[in-house]
Amino acid sequence: EDKVVQSPLSLVVHEGDTVTLNCSYEVTNFRSLLWYKQEKKAPTFLFMLTSSGIEKKSGRLSSILDKKELFSILNITATQTGDSAIYLCAVTSGGSNYKLTFGKGTLLTVNP
Amino acid sequence: DTEVTQTPKHLVMGMTNKKSLKCEQHMGHRAMYWYKQKAKKPPELMFVYSYEKLSINESVPSRFSPECPNSSLLNLHLHALQPEDSALYLCASSQVLPGQGLRPTAPYEQYFGPGTRLTVT
Repeated sequence: EDKVVQSPLSLVVHEGDTVTLNCSYEVTNFRSLLWYKQEKKAPTFLFMLTSSGIEKKSGRLSSILDKKELFSILNITATQTGDSAIYLCAVTSGGSNYKLTFGKGTLLTVNP
Repeated sequence: DTEVTQTPKHLVMGMTNKKSLKCEQHMGHRAMYWYKQKAKKPPELMFVYSYEKLSINESVPSRFSPECPNSSLLNLHLHALQPEDSALYLCASSQVLPGQGLRPTAPYEQYFGPGTRLTVT
């Protein structure tokens, strides 16, 4: 059974801090890893990673995948209170590029 | 435009009611999804439609009945639900290459709608 594990489960930081969120996976025939940010409702797409070692960057957020060690990290620099959310990691694998297997998420709280 | 819309935003229904959830996207995506999300849990896949055909049914009870009337719309018909079905129901959509409807060879990111908060009383 495919497994996605995120750590930490929750994190409290102060504005301006840099955070690193972790996602490890055990899946059959890995295809892609995705990061989403979920505030009150819909998960918002952040990144999709398919190749090792290539950093994806969007503003203060960046992410990288290590397919040998089976993990990904999501970095957020100079955190702001608006970064407070649940960050979800998901993978697609096996015979289907449709099915996302999600981790339990990391709840990030950024205090002013 | 990466918008997926869902209606209604909130729905309260009794166990004998019949209701429908609606989802719409105008991004030209040909794969559409229904997810169920309980509090403090990640989304769980229920159904996938690809090119308006049901591609995946994750062993969902028959009291949930999906329908894809055209490439932009996805419905979820609800009948005789149980209180434990109360949850946030999320719709999503993604690209899929032509000719790869059932088994796409490339992954594409899924874009989620805001969800319908369903309460079954």
